Amino acid sequence: NAGVTQTPKFQVLKTGQSMTLQCAQDMNHNSMYWYRQDPGMGLRLIYYSASEGTTDKGEVPNGYNVSRLNKREFSLRLESAAPSQTSVYFCATQRVANTGELFFGEGSRLTVL
Amino acid sequence: KQEVTQIPAALSVPEGENLVLNCSFTDSAIYNLQWFRQDPGKGLTSLLLIQSSQREQTSGRLNASLDKSSGRSTLYIAASQPGDSATYLCAVSRSGGGADGLTFGKGTHLIIQP
Repeated sequence: NAGVTQTPKFQVLKTGQSMTLQCAQDMNHNSMYWYRQDPGMGLRLIYYSASEGTTDKGEVPNGYNVSRLNKREFSLRLESAAPSQTSVYFCATQRVANTGELFFGEGSRLTVL
Repeated sequence: KQEVTQIPAALSVPEGENLVLNCSFTDSAIYNLQWFRQDPGKGLTSLLLIQSSQREQTSGRLNASLDKSSGRSTLYIAASQPGDSATYLCAVSRSGGGADGLTFGKGTHLIIQP
């Protein structure tokens, strides 16, 4: 039982390049989240998805797009990476939105040069 | 806007001691509060979840309390062990999650000395 799997674990990009972070869960959870964690800032919500085909912006969505094509997978895309997007990105799942407990992946560490 | 503060930012204690980590939040209109543990280079692991109607939750050597009216929560760790060394984060939710997400504190970095 893998839980929440994120790929890649590490990535270095040049400014202006694009890439997609992948998240897959085998917990049969409805809600999925993308957070970023920065030193001194804590974790901040980028996007949320309540179910397949639905997404909502969080606190810091600018520069990102997301896709929830099925229940298992939630991807985060950077169309034109900027140094300010250097961060650790975490995907999380929740069975339904109001049960509270979140389950996190191990993170994807992105450096934009 | 909800703000979550965790004090102290770092703590180092000898093995075997009981300790308390503190979390405070500015808006008492919360749905629940969750304590997480984060090991270096890893994701977050949920430790305890307290609904707004509850006063405390216990799991093994961990006990979390919630005083919603005063905007405070504590995480009590009994008989600390070196394996408890990690960063502990608390997070509050206004609606259980969703697009509001959780508001996280910046964490307490805990070191248990053998």
